[in-house]
Amino acid sequence: AQRVTQPEKLLSVFKGAPVELKCNYSYSGSPELFWYVQYSRQRLQLLLRHISRESIKGFTADLNKGETSFHLKKPFAQEEDSAMYYCALKARGSTLGRLYFGRGTQLTVWP
Amino acid sequence: NAGVMQNPRHLVRRRGQEARLRCSPMKGHSHVYWYRQLPEEGLKFMVYLQKENIIDESGMPKERFSAEFPKEGPSILRIQQVVRGDSAAYFCASSLEDRDETQYFGPGTRLLVL
Repeated sequence: AQRVTQPEKLLSVFKGAPVELKCNYSYSGSPELFWYVQYSRQRLQLLLRHISRESIKGFTADLNKGETSFHLKKPFAQEEDSAMYYCALKARGSTLGRLYFGRGTQLTVWP
Repeated sequence: NAGVMQNPRHLVRRRGQEARLRCSPMKGHSHVYWYRQLPEEGLKFMVYLQKENIIDESGMPKERFSAEFPKEGPSILRIQQVVRGDSAAYFCASSLEDRDETQYFGPGTRLLVL
């Protein structure tokens, strides 16, 4: 069965420090991985997806199939990065578009 | 484009009443997904609909819950005879047909059952 695990419920770092939000998944097929972010009082929005291999707001994430991980990283955290981050998985190529979400990590960046 | 709209944003019901949650997808989107988020948990898939069709309802409880996406008008998630355990945030997402599978989320409806 598909499962997404975000082991850290809360993560705090100081401004300028590197940050890594962990995401592990279990899925027997070929997954498509996403990171969604929810800023305070805003809706959930897509941050990045692994097939795009892009950097958004300084964040990157690499799919590691050997470790079944898709950790989100940023070398220098900013206060405006404080938000709730959700890792999500979709079965690639599936006509059923359902996403499987982790429980989320609340990131706080202190000044 | 106003984005995905959901209403009401907050809904309070007493046990046994019915709850109707509405979702208007982004303009041009014909795919709608409903997710439920219980406190301290991630979003859980409930149902996937295209216009006038239910494609995947495997995440929907078998009783009391139903969803529709009519040819005209918003998608509706209906919960009959609500119980306290139905208290949650319900999110709707929409996507374009064909290749763009990015799901765009609405602000959610917070349902509280007293």
